[in-house]
Amino acid sequence: KAGVTQTPRYLIKTRGQQVTLSCSPISGHRSVSWYQQTPGQGLQFLFEYFSETQRNKGNFPGRFSGRQFSNSRSEMNVSTLELGDSALYLCASSLAGRSEQYFGPGTRLTVT
Amino acid sequence: KNQVEQSPQSLIILEGKNCTLQCNYTVSPFSNLRWYKQDTGRGPVSLTIMTFSENTKSNGRYTATLDADTKQSSLHITASQLSDSASYICVVSGGTGGFKTIFGAGTRLFVKA
Repeated sequence: KAGVTQTPRYLIKTRGQQVTLSCSPISGHRSVSWYQQTPGQGLQFLFEYFSETQRNKGNFPGRFSGRQFSNSRSEMNVSTLELGDSALYLCASSLAGRSEQYFGPGTRLTVT
Repeated sequence: KNQVEQSPQSLIILEGKNCTLQCNYTVSPFSNLRWYKQDTGRGPVSLTIMTFSENTKSNGRYTATLDADTKQSSLHITASQLSDSASYICVVSGGTGGFKTIFGAGTRLFVKA
């Protein structure tokens, strides 16, 4: 069974631009969660989607948004990028939210 | 407040030696505790997951213990290898006011030859 895939793996953007990251969960998994990881902060929860609905949301500004499609694939969008948004963005999928999470390889976003 | 604290922040050991990483949490009510290994630049990979009724779980050279009364967990690595060099993250799920997953800041382990 294929694992969680994320695209792109690396991205360089300029301040003020917007970016869209994609996550394809493991087949059959309906829950997708997004995390931001920076060296100083560790893993920070962004949001969780289950069956196309946002079920939980972390403490991030409204510039961070996401959505989930009917095939469980998910995207997250960051608008008006800031230098502090440079991080590794990780996606994790699970069968149903509270079960074991499987992480993708992440997207490394660099904002210049 | 739901928190997960890990210690030490970083650790250097010689290849072949054993080590123990600590995780203390205040998440209540408790649902489960997981240990993840994360290689640099990659996503975390699950090592063990334990629920309230479990107090030890092994995965090869990795053994996790859980004391739900004192809200402490440890991850013991036996006969360390160079490939064990990574960050080890403790994750606790549960909490009031909605189910939450709280990540510890991780312990950075360096195994030297």
